[in-house]
Amino acid sequence: QVQLQESGPGLVKPSETLSLTCTVSGGSISSFYWSWIRQPPGKGLEWVGYIHYTGSTNYNPSLKSRVTISLDTSKSQFSLNLSSVTAADTAIYYCARTGGYCSGGSCYLEFDYWGQGTLVTVSS
Amino acid sequence: QSVLTQSPSASGTPGQRVTISCSGSTSNIGSNAVNWYQQLPGTAPKLLISVNNQRPSGVPDRFSGSKSGTSASLAISGLQSEDEADYYCAAWDDSLNAQVFGPGTKVTVL
Repeated sequence: QVQLQESGPGLVKPSETLSLTCTVSGGSISSFYWSWIRQPPGKGLEWVGYIHYTGSTNYNPSLKSRVTISLDTSKSQFSLNLSSVTAADTAIYYCARTGGYCSGGSCYLEFDYWGQGTLVTVSS
Repeated sequence: QSVLTQSPSASGTPGQRVTISCSGSTSNIGSNAVNWYQQLPGTAPKLLISVNNQRPSGVPDRFSGSKSGTSASLAISGLQSEDEADYYCAAWDDSLNAQVFGPGTKVTVL
């Protein structure tokens, strides 16, 4: 059974960088896409971006200038860095295994395994 | 403001059939497959329906999905108390070059 677990600071100061790691167990990270999705408290879901096991990435255009997702296959981990955070970045951040494919500028993505989520609050 | 629209709420009594709709455009639902996610209170979302109408292993056959043109629907038949949750539709948007989610529909079992 594939399991994902997010880890990282629960409090980040405005203008600083939010850094989270997702550890994957029970399955190989050397296949599939791996995504980050966030959910502001009491609100809906927002896709942040993905990394393919080959290292290719795709980010939500609304966050693209501030987001970096990386992969460490030796540790079965992938990570999220979000720079210059503001209070609007306060959210529960989920990591998710992502099935599907991207071709010709279009994608089909399905988030089939999720971490439990971690709340990150941006505040001084 | 999401490019996918959903009714904010739906409700029914145990045993009833409830239908949730998701409306989009030619750049998302009209061109790409739709998934549905169920989020029980205080938990992570769960993939409920993939590729418009496929149920992943373990999802009860009370849940069914369909798609027509630029709209999709999720039906819950034989509504049960444990179905009380938020339901989100999702699809890739070719114009935005991003995965988009609907705003969610809260289902209440009366």
